[in-house]
Amino acid sequence: GDQVEQSPSALSLHEGTGSALRCNFTTTMRAVQWFQQNSRGSLINLFYLASGTKENGRLKSTFNSKESYSTLHIRDAQLEDSGTYFCAAEARYAQGLTFGLGTRVSVFP
Amino acid sequence: EAAVTQSPRNKVAVTGGKVTLSCNQTNNHNNMYWYRQDTGHGLRLIHYSYGAGSTEKGDIPDGYKASRPSQENFSLILELATPSQTSVYFCASGTGGGAEQFFGPGTRLTVL
Repeated sequence: GDQVEQSPSALSLHEGTGSALRCNFTTTMRAVQWFQQNSRGSLINLFYLASGTKENGRLKSTFNSKESYSTLHIRDAQLEDSGTYFCAAEARYAQGLTFGLGTRVSVFP
Repeated sequence: EAAVTQSPRNKVAVTGGKVTLSCNQTNNHNNMYWYRQDTGHGLRLIHYSYGAGSTEKGDIPDGYKASRPSQENFSLILELATPSQTSVYFCASGTGGGAEQFFGPGTRLTVL
């Protein structure tokens, strides 16, 4: 069954505002990655976390392996933040990443 | 900086034809992966490899073969392409064991 449940499926933000994306995992995951897929279709690595919290500019991500979820926070959203964001994680005793279905983020002036 | 390249970037094939998608990585990573991306399914794992000479089935291997002739190269082979294999294919590399994976730019395949 589905192991990565990502929400929301779509998000609209005005420039300068912020919000959070969330992924829930139905099995134990070793680590989580967050990607942004840009308009060309390329997957840009945003974060890799085996645990804890990382921050990079206006983005911050947390992975709580004990409670089986990860979040991605966007603050002070800019137009270039528009795109589809994916979380992906590798289950313990498995190979390869299992992806969420993505969150389409649209930032408006 | 991680470097994974794919060729071709776009491909149109006919039903029943043979298609080979190529991936090259310069990261010296042991593990390589092939995924496909379809609307409504996200990315799904087709085949992966632990190193030269190794190929393993992922979650959706039916209709696909893989080849890993060297550390740097990993190919995905569609012996008899079908329209259901129309998709965007991504290659990735990593050191395995839950470590970070780095993705190529993708190949858009259309099977008519």
